[in-house]
Amino acid sequence: EPEVTQTPSHQVTQMGQEVILRCVPISNHLYFYWYRQILGQKVEFLVSFYNNEISEKSEIFDDQFSVERPDGSNFTLKIRSTKLEDSAMYFCASEGRANQPQHFGDGTRLSIL
Amino acid sequence: GENVEQHPSTLSVQEGDSAVIKCTYSDSASNYFPWYKQELGKGPQLIIDIRSNVGEKKDQRIAVTLNKTAKHFSLHITETQPEDSAVYFCAASSGTGFQKLVFGTGTRLLVSP
Repeated sequence: EPEVTQTPSHQVTQMGQEVILRCVPISNHLYFYWYRQILGQKVEFLVSFYNNEISEKSEIFDDQFSVERPDGSNFTLKIRSTKLEDSAMYFCASEGRANQPQHFGDGTRLSIL
Repeated sequence: GENVEQHPSTLSVQEGDSAVIKCTYSDSASNYFPWYKQELGKGPQLIIDIRSNVGEKKDQRIAVTLNKTAKHFSLHITETQPEDSAVYFCAASSGTGFQKLVFGTGTRLLVSP
């Protein structure tokens, strides 16, 4: 069964550094999302992306965050200057077409030191 | 915006018993309600979903019920097995086409042999 893949599985970064989290959505899916989950808390929406532009973003998704689909397969989340509070699991999800379920990857654990 | 409450936060049952997890939502425009299972170190995996034009949906040992008037929906797992042990999240979204998911706070289900 097709799946969403995320790399790396764990990223350790010094505060203030830039980090890029990568996702390969399910082939032929059109809608893409990033969510995050702080340890022990619920999954929170960050941003949705369709047709090469952001469709919606949450309050968490400030100017330090950006997303990009640089080619036909990858979908990336960049944090320009990481903060301690950015430490969390980051999940990528993709959706095939309207009204279809979202499929999640296994996440990237981001640890900011 | 939408707010999803989930109860209980933890649930311990004996193998073979039934488990029920309940969620309430606030936005009457919400019309899609998926349930995700999250195992340790993994991303959320869709186990069942329901749309607002349906009151109940069943898939083998798993069922979901929806009460639109009361704005609550529930997950029912019958004949629980140790491998059902995981964290379960409910979620809600509104509108047609792709929409962000708003998650509940999660229920840690422990099934003892």
